[in-house]
Amino acid sequence: GQNIDQPTEMTATEGAIVQINCTYQTSGFNGLFWYQQHAGEAPTFLSYNVLDGLEEKGRFSSFLSRSKGYSYLLLKELQMKDSASYLCAVSHNTNAGKSTFGDGTTLTVKP
Amino acid sequence: ETGVTQTPRHLVMGMTNKKSLKCEQHLGHNAMYWYKQSAKKPLELMFVYNFKEQTENNSVPSRFSPECPNSSHLFLHLHTLQPEDSALYLCASSQGSGQKDQPQHFGDGTRLSIL
Repeated sequence: GQNIDQPTEMTATEGAIVQINCTYQTSGFNGLFWYQQHAGEAPTFLSYNVLDGLEEKGRFSSFLSRSKGYSYLLLKELQMKDSASYLCAVSHNTNAGKSTFGDGTTLTVKP
Repeated sequence: ETGVTQTPRHLVMGMTNKKSLKCEQHLGHNAMYWYKQSAKKPLELMFVYNFKEQTENNSVPSRFSPECPNSSHLFLHLHTLQPEDSALYLCASSQGSGQKDQPQHFGDGTRLSIL
């Protein structure tokens, strides 16, 4: 089975750094995606990790530890527009293209 | 603009109606997906198509019937829906099966309300 856990809500201040954690227990793990979804809009791709370590992409970084079943998304220099839901999704090596999504973390950035 | 277009954006229908949701992608992808997104719940995968062939049916009730006439178009035919089917229905596409993990590109969704 698949079990993906993320915090439901987080709040941070503009200009700060926030880390959104995701833990998973899944069979046939292949890689892990992070998506951003603003209210009323489509989810958009942020990052993908398949190897252990940190992937940096501008203000956003994502980390993966396969042995611990753990990932995080790190957002630096927070801006108001970063207020959104952040979805962790696990892809499976049993069926290329299939991903299982976590519940998402709603991040609110305050001035 | 994500390259994935869904119509209609909003749909209100009675339980005895028949309607269809449409999805079109302009990205040259070979895999397409239907998801259901309800309030307070994670994205639920419904169907996956690779190269027009259905490769995943995630135990979806038969009142939802997908159709994929070609790699660019995906439909979801709806018939005799229940109130609990009210949700946001998202379509997505990706490069396709056999490729190394590729991100999915989502449409803006159809907000469906069942009366």
